[in-house]
Amino acid sequence: DAKTTQPTSMDCAEGRAANLPCNHSTISGNEYVYWYRQIHSQGPQYIIHGLKNNETNEMASLIITEDRKSSTLILPHATLRDTAVYYCIVRKNSGYALNFGKGTSLLVTP
Amino acid sequence: NAGVMQNPRHLVRRRGQEARLRCSPMKGHSHVYWYRQLPEEGLKFMVYLQKENIIDESGMPKERFSAEFPKEGPSILRIQQVVRGDSAAYFCASSPGTPGDTEAFFGQGTRLTVV
Repeated sequence: DAKTTQPTSMDCAEGRAANLPCNHSTISGNEYVYWYRQIHSQGPQYIIHGLKNNETNEMASLIITEDRKSSTLILPHATLRDTAVYYCIVRKNSGYALNFGKGTSLLVTP
Repeated sequence: NAGVMQNPRHLVRRRGQEARLRCSPMKGHSHVYWYRQLPEEGLKFMVYLQKENIIDESGMPKERFSAEFPKEGPSILRIQQVVRGDSAAYFCASSPGTPGDTEAFFGQGTRLTVV
């Protein structure tokens, strides 16, 4: 699976949009981009995933660049409960293991 | 629909004892995955099981660790003769059907402390 690069930490003011970037320049055509988050001491929570097109669900939006070498997870109106470590993971369509790297520690402040 | 259930949530064992961690997947899910998270690190894949079969155990330490997912009952991760380095959070995840374009749902983990 392709490797991902994320900033170590980010801050965001409550109520503002949180934009979390991820680089995956070696991604191949059959690899999906997944986002999970882990709130302190809890199990990882699935957020969203996509292949080529931008995706949106009730939690977030995923913007994937046209060349697929990077993506951005957008939390449109961050709340204090969104403070967590966010993991960007690239995985083959036929794969199953999730390779959690260091992730981005997002702190939402009042 | 209950989520992935893991028990116990916290487990303390003395060095040399055995640890048994249990995972009940979500209803209708037949694929189970175990991950380990050492302090201050990301989760690392350990093993992937389907009912009665181990599909991939490439992330499991070669000794003392074993996993099963019997036809009836929860999946069990067993650690024999625990050592201090086994102290970690162990997470179980499950998914429906064939892996691929589907997400895995995680339990709340079992925190193992070896004293």
